[in-house]
Amino acid sequence: DAGVIQSPRHEVTEMGQEVTLRCKPISGHDYLFWYRQTMMRGLELLIYFNNNVPIDDSGMPEDRFSAKMPNASFSTLKIQPSEPRDSAVYFCASSFSVPGNTIYFGEGSWLTVV
Amino acid sequence: GENVEQHPSTLSVQEGDSAVIKCTYSDSASNYFPWYKQELGKRPQLIIDIRSNVGEKKDQRIAVTLNKTAKHFSLHITETQPEDSAVYFCAANAGNMLTFGGGTRLMVKP
Repeated sequence: DAGVIQSPRHEVTEMGQEVTLRCKPISGHDYLFWYRQTMMRGLELLIYFNNNVPIDDSGMPEDRFSAKMPNASFSTLKIQPSEPRDSAVYFCASSFSVPGNTIYFGEGSWLTVV
Repeated sequence: GENVEQHPSTLSVQEGDSAVIKCTYSDSASNYFPWYKQELGKRPQLIIDIRSNVGEKKDQRIAVTLNKTAKHFSLHITETQPEDSAVYFCAANAGNMLTFGGGTRLMVKP
């Protein structure tokens, strides 16, 4: 398996633009997580899905952020409008039923908002 | 919700010495405690994990101990090597989620 696949790997965008990050989980995994990593706040869980259904989005910072999982093999995280403080690495991760099973991270999407 | 504290935030050791990283957690219902290693510019990768039914687990030069009563767990790396230099994260589950500690930047000096 190719692992969790994220795109784009790097994105530089101007403030106010819409950003869409994409994720393909490992085939057969039923949990999908979106994390954000910054120096100041570390690894923060934004939202997670189980069987394509959002379970907990309490980590989503504000209404500018939204996430969808239309099917078992694809998820998006959208920021609209983007702001400089959204600059971070966004990781998608997936696993079989948790707790107690390894969460596998994608390579991350490095977002810079100028 | 779960709160995971990790110490120290940075750790510098000489090659060949041991390194110990400690974490505490708040949710007594947590029963899964993984450790991830993140090299510069890379993704976090699982290096070892422990479940609440055991107190210690070893894998070559790394070991993890768990004290459920005190709600803390530790990562031990023996005979450190320069390639062990990275950021290490502990985590604890809260229901179906993992909460991560703040990370420890380990530097192994040759």
